[in-house]
Amino acid sequence: DSGVTQTPKHLITATGQRVTLRCSPRSGDLSVYWYQQSLDQGLQFLIQYYNGEERAKGNILERFSAQQFPDLHSELNLSSLELGDSALYFCASSVAWGGAADTGELFFGEGSRLTVL
Amino acid sequence: GQNIDQPTEMTATEGAIVQINCTYQTSGFNGLFWYQQHAGEAPTFLSYNVLDGLEEKGRFSSFLSRSKGYSYLLLKELQMKDSASYLCAVKNTGKLIFGQGTTLQVKP
Repeated sequence: DSGVTQTPKHLITATGQRVTLRCSPRSGDLSVYWYQQSLDQGLQFLIQYYNGEERAKGNILERFSAQQFPDLHSELNLSSLELGDSALYFCASSVAWGGAADTGELFFGEGSRLTVL
Repeated sequence: GQNIDQPTEMTATEGAIVQINCTYQTSGFNGLFWYQQHAGEAPTFLSYNVLDGLEEKGRFSSFLSRSKGYSYLLLKELQMKDSASYLCAVKNTGKLIFGQGTTLQVKP
């Protein structure tokens, strides 16, 4: 158990709909990362937050948005869903961001499997 | 830009040694990680290299050459449970960028 909690574990929805994925980082971790993993694809970096602020952005679609709240949990919002958005969405957390003491090791949640029909 | 290359698939025999290579070309470099991921599960940390050389951890070792943009993960005394995907990832300004992963199949 990595200590990172993601909900829901599974989600089935229809094209055009909107969903919210939730992540609670490990106790004490300030950074949250979101990754998308489609079938036969590697982990694609979406976005990173540190202590409530956006720190880095990857190949995140405009239909997707995220935020990190004062209690450090994070939500990833996916809207106008398309079939191609079906994937495993991982949240990961780490202690810090980019500092000398930050080895960058990420602790991953179990993922939220999204199926768009 | 970011480019991380690993072989897509490898097969090895139980008890043997296998080396999984990773080459990278990234705009920044703050370290290289290897993660293991079993199908449908979360990736788990295996190793971290920030300086050139070999890091050994039990049956797993990882090597880094920054000048060559090259790393490898060495798995010794392979076990059936080592069948998984192995992800090479480069740390760049605080975030981890992953390669596509190498699916290793260990056969009896």
